[in-house]
Amino acid sequence: QQQVKQSPQSLIVQKGGISIINCAYENTAFDYFPWYQQFPGKGPALLIAIRPDVSEKKEGRFTISFNKSAKQFSLHIMDSQPGDSATYFCAAGPWDGGSNYKLTFGKGTLLTVNP
Amino acid sequence: DAGITQSPRHKVTETGTPVTLRCHQTENHRYMYWYRQDPGHGLRLIHYSYGVKDTDKGEVSDGYSVSRSKTEDFLLTLESATSSQTSVYFCATLDRALSGNTIYFGEGSWLTVV
Repeated sequence: QQQVKQSPQSLIVQKGGISIINCAYENTAFDYFPWYQQFPGKGPALLIAIRPDVSEKKEGRFTISFNKSAKQFSLHIMDSQPGDSATYFCAAGPWDGGSNYKLTFGKGTLLTVNP
Repeated sequence: DAGITQSPRHKVTETGTPVTLRCHQTENHRYMYWYRQDPGHGLRLIHYSYGVKDTDKGEVSDGYSVSRSKTEDFLLTLESATSSQTSVYFCATLDRALSGNTIYFGEGSWLTVV
């Protein structure tokens, strides 16, 4: 079973602070690393994704950092806002998976941003 | 939004009864998935399909079966529901665009087995 290990399980930050969620993967064939955001009662939705040809990708307040040698990637949320309170899932998989494409998800991080 | 509709959205059923959850998509995506979400376990893949009548098992497939007779519909059946199958079930589809692969999720089906 190829795993993606995500930490922490839960995270509480103050408004304006930086939220950091970390993930580690095992399969060196993985070359696509998306992050999903899920609000209560809703399905997860793609937030941001990275391929390992770059070490960092930034979209607004959200940044993915990628360390290929360590097989780790992380999500940084700058200037965290109460509206960012949600569950965040990292995932990993092949960019081009042939006829059996699937992603492996981490167990999720419940982020709470206090006002 | 990938036009994914799950039904029913909420269901309470008794142990031992069969249950079918339906997923309907309007985007003509080839790949479809069924996940379950449980506290402490995250999203776990039950079954997936890579085309009409082409399906394969995920990591937690025991007690579940699937069928896909049309591109737009993917059915998940709990053959004899157990309390351990109380969960939130998500259907998903894969959009394989040149700009990136995106898995879109439905809104979820809350199943309680009593």
